[in-house]
Amino acid sequence: EAQVTQNPRYLITVTGKKLTVTCSQNMNHEYMSWYRQDPGLGLRQIYYSMNVEVTDKGDVPEGYKVSRKEKRNFPLILESPSPNQTSLYFCASRADYNSPLHFGNGTRLTVT
Amino acid sequence: AQKITQTQPGMFVQEKEAVTLDCTYDTSDPSYGLFWYKQPSSGEMIFLIYQGSYDQQNATEGRYSLNFQKARKSANLVISASQLGDSAMYFCAMRLGGYQKVTFGTGTKLQVIP
Repeated sequence: EAQVTQNPRYLITVTGKKLTVTCSQNMNHEYMSWYRQDPGLGLRQIYYSMNVEVTDKGDVPEGYKVSRKEKRNFPLILESPSPNQTSLYFCASRADYNSPLHFGNGTRLTVT
Repeated sequence: AQKITQTQPGMFVQEKEAVTLDCTYDTSDPSYGLFWYKQPSSGEMIFLIYQGSYDQQNATEGRYSLNFQKARKSANLVISASQLGDSAMYFCAMRLGGYQKVTFGTGTKLQVIP
């Protein structure tokens, strides 16, 4: 089954404790992206990647890191999480620019 | 910079009636794509419909149609014969150029009343 898999689904952590949210897709898509969703703000893009070793900032990249060492994986790294990074995070991929984004099921992160 | 605007934070519609969700966009790029997604209370993002800027006809997918008015820069989603399962958040999104970022609106929460 074609899918984007994110883990974990839920994560509660404390300020400053480094964490990684994993994202993997099995559709051989070149384009992958991370979004955060906050009430009243919709989805805002954090980072995107057009291929292996090619990443670029979205609209809200501060406090986040990404890497794209393999085509299928695109982890999101929070080196020193803060409470304002409490949010619902989505990973997505797409086949080409006319194709829709395929989303993972989301990761609900709480930073206390 | 590109911008997507959804001016209706929430809407109600009677079951079996049609409803229009508004979306306007702002870009000077002649090549772009417009998408609508549905997010039910369970949280997943579901793709509904796509319209390319060069497409001559309005897109349709089952009960969903996209009322694309290029000169007005609007891409409204029309849901015909609303069902209780249509209750959800709906997001409009725009993709510019090639493999660039996809920008989302703030969403409209639709509630279908029996």
